[in-house]
Amino acid sequence: QVQLQESGPGLVKPSETLSLTCSVSGGSIGTYYWNWIRQPPGKELEWIGCIHHTGSTNYNPSLKSRVTISLDTSKNQFSLRLQSVTAADTAVYFCARMSNHWGIFEVWGQGPLVTVSS
Amino acid sequence: DIHMTQSPSSLSASVGDRVTITCQASQDISNYLNWYQQKPGKAPKLLISDASNLETGVPSRFSGSGSGTDFTLTISSLQPEDIATFYCQQYDSLPFTFGPGTKMEIK
Repeated sequence: QVQLQESGPGLVKPSETLSLTCSVSGGSIGTYYWNWIRQPPGKELEWIGCIHHTGSTNYNPSLKSRVTISLDTSKNQFSLRLQSVTAADTAVYFCARMSNHWGIFEVWGQGPLVTVSS
Repeated sequence: DIHMTQSPSSLSASVGDRVTITCQASQDISNYLNWYQQKPGKAPKLLISDASNLETGVPSRFSGSGSGTDFTLTISSLQPEDIATFYCQQYDSLPFTFGPGTKMEIK
């Protein structure tokens, strides 16, 4: 059974870059779409973007200018970089797999809280 | 972006009650609608896809219906383990968007 696990710093300073990695176990990253979704404390979920196993990406226009999602098939991982962060980027960041059926998030990581603060 | 709304924002019901949550899209999304259940401190769990398709392993007391702009999630007999926040999500067009959630509580 596929499992996802996020890793990365839990604290990032304002104006710096937030970097997270999602490790995929129990299956290959060489299929499907791989997503990042975030949830500010007490608020709703926000889709950040996704990457296909071929490397093609889609981003939420609200974040597109600051986001990069990349894939490392040799390590079975994919990553998120969010530049120029502010306190508004404080959130739980989930990685998630989209099934063969576009738009359905069937497997999720546990989601670490990333706080933006000096 | 397609805007999703949900009602009620919170719901208190007794064990055994039939409960219904509604989700409305700002434009026609056909049946491109999923429902998720999120328990405190956990990741969301997919319950229903394509508006009415119950995921494997999800109890049959959960059901979904609707198409176009109006959708419902029904729990036929509320159980204590159903305490959670429920979110709808559209995938008719990018960016994918979620509703604000409905927090379920037991009376």
